[in-house]
Amino acid sequence: QKEVEQNSGPLSVPEGAIASLNCTYSDRVSQSFFWYRQYSGKSPELIMSIYSNGDKEDGRFTAQLNKASQYVSLLIRDSQPSDSATYLCAVNWDNAGNMLTFGGGTRLMVKP
Amino acid sequence: GAVVSQHPSWVICKSGTSVKIECRSLDFQATTMFWYRQFPKQSLMLMATSNEGSKATYEQGVEKDKFLINHASLTLSTLTVTSAHPEDSSFYICSAFRQGGAGELFFGEGSRLTVL
Repeated sequence: QKEVEQNSGPLSVPEGAIASLNCTYSDRVSQSFFWYRQYSGKSPELIMSIYSNGDKEDGRFTAQLNKASQYVSLLIRDSQPSDSATYLCAVNWDNAGNMLTFGGGTRLMVKP
Repeated sequence: GAVVSQHPSWVICKSGTSVKIECRSLDFQATTMFWYRQFPKQSLMLMATSNEGSKATYEQGVEKDKFLINHASLTLSTLTVTSAHPEDSSFYICSAFRQGGAGELFFGEGSRLTVL
């Protein structure tokens, strides 16, 4: 059973702080990793993808991947109240799109 | 990013009615689409994998005769909730997998179904 685990939260951070969201996965043979943001009542939106070990930065977002430790994280710098949402980690076990598994999501609350 | 369009966004129907939801990939071809259901404050639940030109693959516990999926073209998958009942009220979300390059999954806007 391939699993993706996230702390459900809520993770509460003050405005302007760095929010750190973590995700672990069970299978070493994982190809690609994604972070989605889902606002309440809306569908998930892809915000980051990462495929190789290390950091990938996009604006205020940084994804970090460590395949040896089987974790992927998302850092949000200068957190804003508008970042308050549920963040879903997803792992693609192959590149055919048939084995994409989502974590349960972490709810982030950024307080003004 | 790629665009996946879902229609309708909202639907309210009487119990016993069948409701069809469409999912279209607007700027890429999708041989594989997925249908999810999400209840309030709960995680996404994968219902089925829709494969173009073949039968859908349903997750355990999902009634294939109740949730009919058709993927007749590379850009369109439909989900029909047959004889809907109040317990079918939920947020239904489709997604489409864009192969090649990054191999990313994009979601439609979702369809909120309320069965009276």
